[in-house]
Amino acid sequence: DAGVIQSPRHEVTEMGQEVTLRCKPISGHDYLFWYRQTMMRGLELLIYFNNNVPIDDSGMPEDRFSAKMPNASFSTLKIQPSEPRDSAVYFCASRGTEGSPLHFGNGTRLTVT
Amino acid sequence: AQSVTQLGSHVSVSEGALVLLRCNYSSSVPPYLFWYVQYPNQGLQLLLKYTSAATLVKGINGFEAEFKKSETSFHLTKPSAHMSDAAEYFCAVRGRGSYIPTFGRGTSLIVHP
Repeated sequence: DAGVIQSPRHEVTEMGQEVTLRCKPISGHDYLFWYRQTMMRGLELLIYFNNNVPIDDSGMPEDRFSAKMPNASFSTLKIQPSEPRDSAVYFCASRGTEGSPLHFGNGTRLTVT
Repeated sequence: AQSVTQLGSHVSVSEGALVLLRCNYSSSVPPYLFWYVQYPNQGLQLLLKYTSAATLVKGINGFEAEFKKSETSFHLTKPSAHMSDAAEYFCAVRGRGSYIPTFGRGTSLIVHP
């Protein structure tokens, strides 16, 4: 079991550029979550999917943020255009059956200058 | 509705001393409870979980937590701290039937030699 895999680990970009973060969940997990972690707000849930379908995106901060899950093994989180206040660590997590915990990736540290 | 309160954003102990990290929760339905640990530049890793079996739950690295329904608490303890325990610790609650866990703000454990 390779765990949840995120790429890239670090991303530095200029304001206004498009950023795409990628996630491969654990095989067989049917829930996928995107979180953002900052010192100010802690861990914030952005969106989650069940069986590739977005269920709740109420945590997505603005229309600049979008997420997709085209198949069970891949998800993206896109920010377009990026802004300095988007700088944070973005985590992807997946979960299997009822009662099971979340499994987190190592995160993508995004810096927008 | 569910929520988590972690008392103390920082806890400092000496190596070999008892570790006690506090977590209080609220949940309108019987909860699942989790403790996660986050080392620098890594994602959250599961330490232990409570899912309605024994109220005293043993986890990895010598940590344990006790579910006390009357106190709505799930405090994390370890008899003797090691330098390697220095990390951020998160308590999380998820009500049965809910898909989304709620995380506390985290407690940073500092271990002095």
